[in-house]
Amino acid sequence: DGGITQSPKYLFRKEGQNVTLSCEQNLNHDAMYWYRQDPGQGLRLIYYSQIVNDFQKGDIAEGYSVSREKKESFPLTVTSAQKNPTAFYLCASSINDAAYGYTFGSGTRLTVV
Amino acid sequence: ELKVEQNPLFLSMQEGKNYTIYCNYSTTSDRLYWYRQDPGKSLESLFVLLSNGAVKQEGRLMASLDTKARLSTLHITAAVHDLSATYFCAVDSQGGSEKLVFGKGTKLTVNP
Repeated sequence: DGGITQSPKYLFRKEGQNVTLSCEQNLNHDAMYWYRQDPGQGLRLIYYSQIVNDFQKGDIAEGYSVSREKKESFPLTVTSAQKNPTAFYLCASSINDAAYGYTFGSGTRLTVV
Repeated sequence: ELKVEQNPLFLSMQEGKNYTIYCNYSTTSDRLYWYRQDPGKSLESLFVLLSNGAVKQEGRLMASLDTKARLSTLHITAAVHDLSATYFCAVDSQGGSEKLVFGKGTKLTVNP
């Protein structure tokens, strides 16, 4: 079955630590996206990529980094520069003109301990 | 810059009643999407509306798009408890970036 897989489902980060969230899709989608969702809030775009080896900052990119070395994979690193990283992180993918909207992964819940 | 506004943000309704959620957006677009999110879960696609006048129905939910008014509605008919969730609309920002801009979501609670 085609889909988009995020791992881990839950992640705990210590102060000052970098952590990486995985996002893999086998839908042959060109574009991939990372969103952050805080409790009771909407979705805020962190980074997106429309093609391999290229990505753009979204609205809240500070403290985050991404790579797009393969079409199927778009990992997100939450760096120690992100002072308030506790949130629900959602990865999504789409065909390049997003005509059918996004397919979302199941999400990663990150907590600072 | 495209802005997407949903209202109401919170909706509590009784089973069996009808209600409408509104999604307004600020710049021209002819693509609009509705998603459902259950607590602690990801977003599930409900409707894809790709042209002016588009209407889609699935069960007790019906979505429509008026691109001239920059308005989409999600109408709930004879609500049941299972419809309790948060509903998001999203609009294609177009202009080459092809990314969706989401509303803040409408949290729907259907009470017995």
